[in-house]
Parts: sequence; structure tokens; C-alpha cells
Amino acid sequence: AQKVTQAQTEISVVEKEDVTLDCVYETRDTTYYLFWYKQPPSGELVFLIRRNSFDEQNEISGRYSWNFQKSTSSFNFTITASQVVDSAVYFCARQGAQKLVFGQGTRLTINP
Amino acid sequence: ETGVTQSPTHLIKTRGQQVTLRCSSQSGHNTVSWYQQALGQGPQFIFQYYREEENGRGNFPPRFSGLQFPNYSSELNVNALELDDSALYLCAGGEDRRKDGYTFGSGTRLTVV
Repeated sequence: AQKVTQAQTEISVVEKEDVTLDCVYETRDTTYYLFWYKQPPSGELVFLIRRNSFDEQNEISGRYSWNFQKSTSSFNFTITASQVVDSAVYFCARQGAQKLVFGQGTRLTINP
Repeated sequence: ETGVTQSPTHLIKTRGQQVTLRCSSQSGHNTVSWYQQALGQGPQFIFQYYREEENGRGNFPPRFSGLQFPNYSSELNVNALELDDSALYLCAGGEDRRKDGYTFGSGTRLTVV
């Protein structure tokens, strides 16, 4: 199976710290998409970013940034100056044929 | 506001029973996917429907079945419920050309006792 691995099960930091969530994926496809989703306690998966495998440029959106390294099959997510509202479970996913393959998720807790 | 609504939000069923979960997707979502998320795990792909036909299935037994309707609603049916079917079931609607991929609903929390 072409897995997505999020090695960090839980992360806990103090507010205003920077935090990076790691994601490593496996694929035999030449073209694919990578995603990050946020899952608050309500359960809904909130879309954060989709990245095409041909686009290796890093992306920044406010306090969020993503580092895509195709050579190491990694797609890491950094939150700068974290806030309590960032507390959630974060999932990395790869889109294969007709489906998303998710990692196990990283539970991020931001303490005031 | 999410474009995908799921009902019910919570459900308790007895082992061996059958259950139907519902999903209402916004206009234009020609694709609907269902995922099962066990506690502490990532979502697992069950199947996908495109224009009312199943066009992809994950590693789930035939007692998991679905339907997609012309009005962008869909159903997930599970027969002969087992304790391990207890999970959050997520529905995702999408269009091929959407930049953000799929829009997920808030899910139905199913408990089998």
C-alpha cells in the first residue's frame, strides 16, 4: 500500500511557539496531489491546502507555510506564532485514483 | 458554511442491525466519497460515486453499500453491523475541477453495541 506517514502522534507547545508537522508519503504515481486538513473537535475535515506534485514551490498563507520536497517525499506543515485556536488534529493526505489516502494524524495542542 | 451536510450526527445501533447514513451535497458536486474514521485513526476510503455510479472502492466488505441520487444526495448503507463498525463516517463532495479537492461534512458518529 502506498502509505502516508505522520510520525508525530501528538505535539504540545506553548502559544506563540512555531511548530512543524511532518508528513512523508509513498507513491508510484508521477502525478499526484497532496493535502493538509484540519479536524477540530466538531469532526469536520477543514481543507488547508492542495499541492500538485509538479509544483515544488513552498507556499505561505498567513501563519501557515508548507514545504514540499519531492526528493524526500515529504510535505511538511509549519504554523508560525501558534495560537490556542490552532489546537486540532491535522491530517496529511495523498490523492490517488478516486480516493484520498490519509496519514494517522497529528494531535496538536497549543497551551496558553 | 460547508457545502456538505450529514445526518444524523449521532447514532447508536445494535450488532446485527442495518443502518443508513445520509449526505446532502451542494449543487455541482458530481462526486461523493465516503470515509470511515475509527477513533484515533485517519479516515479510510470506503467508496466513491460519480454521477450515480460507483467508480472506486476501498477495502470494505460488500455489506457496505451506497447510492448517489440526481439531487446530489447520497446514502451509505451498512448491513449486519459489527462492533468494529463503530466510527465516524465522513461524506465528501467534490467536482473534478475544484482547486481544493473535496468538501467534507461533519460526519455521523455511529456506535454499535
